[in-house]
Amino acid sequence: TQLLEQSPQFLSIQEGENLTVYCNSSSVFSSLQWYRQEPGEGPVLLVTVVTGGEVKKLKRLTFQFGDARKDSSLHITAAQPGDTGLYLCAGASRGTSYDKVIFGPGTSLSVIP
Amino acid sequence: KAGVTQTPRYLIKTRGQQVTLSCSPISGHRSVSWYQQTPGQGLQFLFEYFSETQRNKGNFPGRFSGRQFSNSRSEMNVSTLELGDSALYLCASSLSATQYFGPGTRLLVL
Repeated sequence: TQLLEQSPQFLSIQEGENLTVYCNSSSVFSSLQWYRQEPGEGPVLLVTVVTGGEVKKLKRLTFQFGDARKDSSLHITAAQPGDTGLYLCAGASRGTSYDKVIFGPGTSLSVIP
Repeated sequence: KAGVTQTPRYLIKTRGQQVTLSCSPISGHRSVSWYQQTPGQGLQFLFEYFSETQRNKGNFPGRFSGRQFSNSRSEMNVSTLELGDSALYLCASSLSATQYFGPGTRLLVL
C-alpha cells in the first residue's frame, strides 16, 4: 500500500518567519501536487512537479521534487497571515491505463500577525 | 473555464435519512473523485468515476454509493445516515493526474 507522510503535522509561526514542510514516501511518483486548503473550502492547487530535482517558485513559495521522485518540500519565505491553511501533497503513480493519486494527511500552518 | 461546482454547499440531515450530493466537473474532464474530510481523519478517498464507470473505490461501507452521468456530472448518495457521516464532502475532477477540487458540501447529521 502506498503511503504519503507529511511533516510537521502542525506549525505555528510568527509573521515574517521562514518555514519548510515535507512530503515523504517510499514510493516513486510520476508527479506530485501541492494544495492549500482554507477552512470549509476545497483544496486549491498550488503547483505540480514532474521531474526529479525540479524546483518551482510561486512568489514566496518554493517547491522541490526529490531526485528520486519519492519526496518533496515546500518552503515559504517571510510567511504572512494569508499563508495560513492546510497544505496537502498528493502523489500520482502510473497504473496500467490511468494515474492513481494518493494524498498525504496535511500540514496545518498558522501564521500569527 | 468554470471550475468544479458542488451542490448543495450546506446540508443538515437527521440520523437514518439519506442524502444525495452533486458535482459538476470542469468542462472536458471525464474523471470525478469523491473524498470525505473530517478534522481528525484528513482526506479519505471514497471512489472515482471515469466515463460513467467506477474505476477505484476506497474503504467505505456500502451505504456510500455514487454514479456518473454521460455529461460527466456525478452524484454521491449516503443512505441511513449516521452521526459520524458529518463531514466536508469534496469532489475533484481531472484530465490526468492533477485533480481540481470543488468547494465541498458541508453535511451535518443530527
